[in-house]
Amino acid sequence: GAVVSQHPSWVICKSGTSVKIECRSLDFQATTMFWYRQFPKQSLMLMATSNEGSKATYEQGVEKDKFLINHASLTLSTLTVTSAHPEDSSFYICSASPLRTENYSYEQYFGPGTRLTVT
Amino acid sequence: AQTVTQSQPEMSVQDAETVTLSCTYDTSENNYYLFWYKQPPSRQMILVIRQEAYKQQNATENRFSVNFQKAAKSFSLKISDSQLGDTAMYFCAFMKPTGTASKLTFGTGTRLQVTL
Repeated sequence: GAVVSQHPSWVICKSGTSVKIECRSLDFQATTMFWYRQFPKQSLMLMATSNEGSKATYEQGVEKDKFLINHASLTLSTLTVTSAHPEDSSFYICSASPLRTENYSYEQYFGPGTRLTVT
Repeated sequence: AQTVTQSQPEMSVQDAETVTLSCTYDTSENNYYLFWYKQPPSRQMILVIRQEAYKQQNATENRFSVNFQKAAKSFSLKISDSQLGDTAMYFCAFMKPTGTASKLTFGTGTRLQVTL
């Protein structure tokens, strides 16, 4: 159980175009989803936290108009990179936090990541 | 703000041997969670082990165990009987529990190579 998928797994787009990445919790409902960015050989940097039905909360230094996040349902969050440029090339990872239950463990379940290359 | 420090960028261990990865953190919180995540070459993040700060007993998951020293703010990971499949990046992470939106703060990672 607790599987998170991301689509696409990799994408190449031209500079100036927009690209959408989907994050889905397949077998559980997620109140909160998180979006991370990871550069080669570096750690995960949190970009934003999204809650179902409300606006995302962005970390300091992350451009909310460039990285649009929508959390339309308890199983789907999307990250849209608008007007992408080569410096946006990176590995984007989402994670999902399940609905709180009596034995809530605070574990986040991670998707497999999406490699974005902007040419 | 919390910080997590992993002072060993790379480590190597021979198959079947034991290795310990270090992690220290800085926080003023008393209640928190600590995690070790593994990221193999596939880049899928996998939870290795979790420790709740209010529990004195060190967490154990099969070949993986931690040495949690709350006063020293240290949280090391011991891997026993290392296997080739343990080759991966290992990230230590801190979480202050604030509900379902609790954020993870990751360390810089330790690249572990298991050799024959």
